[in-house]
Amino acid sequence: TQLLEQSPQFLSIQEGENLTVYCNSSSVFSSLQWYRQEPGEGPVLLVTVVTGGEVKKLKRLTFQFGDARKDSSLHITAAQPGDTGLYLCAGAEGTYKYIFGTGTRLKVLA
Amino acid sequence: NAGVTQTPKFQVLKTGQSMTLQCAQDMNHEYMSWYRQDPGMGLRLIHYSVGAGITDQGEVPNGYNVSRSTTEDFPLRLLSAAPSQTSVYFCASSFGSAGSIGYTFGSGTRLTVV
Repeated sequence: TQLLEQSPQFLSIQEGENLTVYCNSSSVFSSLQWYRQEPGEGPVLLVTVVTGGEVKKLKRLTFQFGDARKDSSLHITAAQPGDTGLYLCAGAEGTYKYIFGTGTRLKVLA
Repeated sequence: NAGVTQTPKFQVLKTGQSMTLQCAQDMNHEYMSWYRQDPGMGLRLIHYSVGAGITDQGEVPNGYNVSRSTTEDFPLRLLSAAPSQTSVYFCASSFGSAGSIGYTFGSGTRLTVV
């Protein structure tokens, strides 16, 4: 089973600051997804990246897939309190199975 | 459109009791899975199914059984609950391999085994 490590584990920042969350593995993934989870709810998909070096933007969120498809990053510009939540990356292991990372818990203070 | 519905929302069991966590989806998704979420460990795959009548084990299958008699339903059975099974359980579904469209998750079942 491939492992996905996320860093940092916890992040508390002020509104308006920028931040980057990392997702790393020693294994290659055919695709990688990022989810956000709020308390008491299941994760919700933010983006899927499939090509090495791919960059996707979703409003103030920028996602990058590493050239070797072993790592990914999520950058948030001008964070807002609504960005607070648990961010999870998930890598494809085979056709149907996705392995989830350990998560980064983000708190944005107003 | 209800999406993925999990019941119950909360459950307390005594050690050795059995129970079934229910999961139903109304999106005609062929793929369904069960994950457990524990602090600091992310989501770990318990069992998954790629269609009615087809199931397979994930990372942490011991102590859990599943079956998939219909496309819509994918129940998770705990045969003899243990305190180590205290966790939040999520059911997820997707159309096809989830490679581009991702999973749809239920809102979870918080299980405590005492």
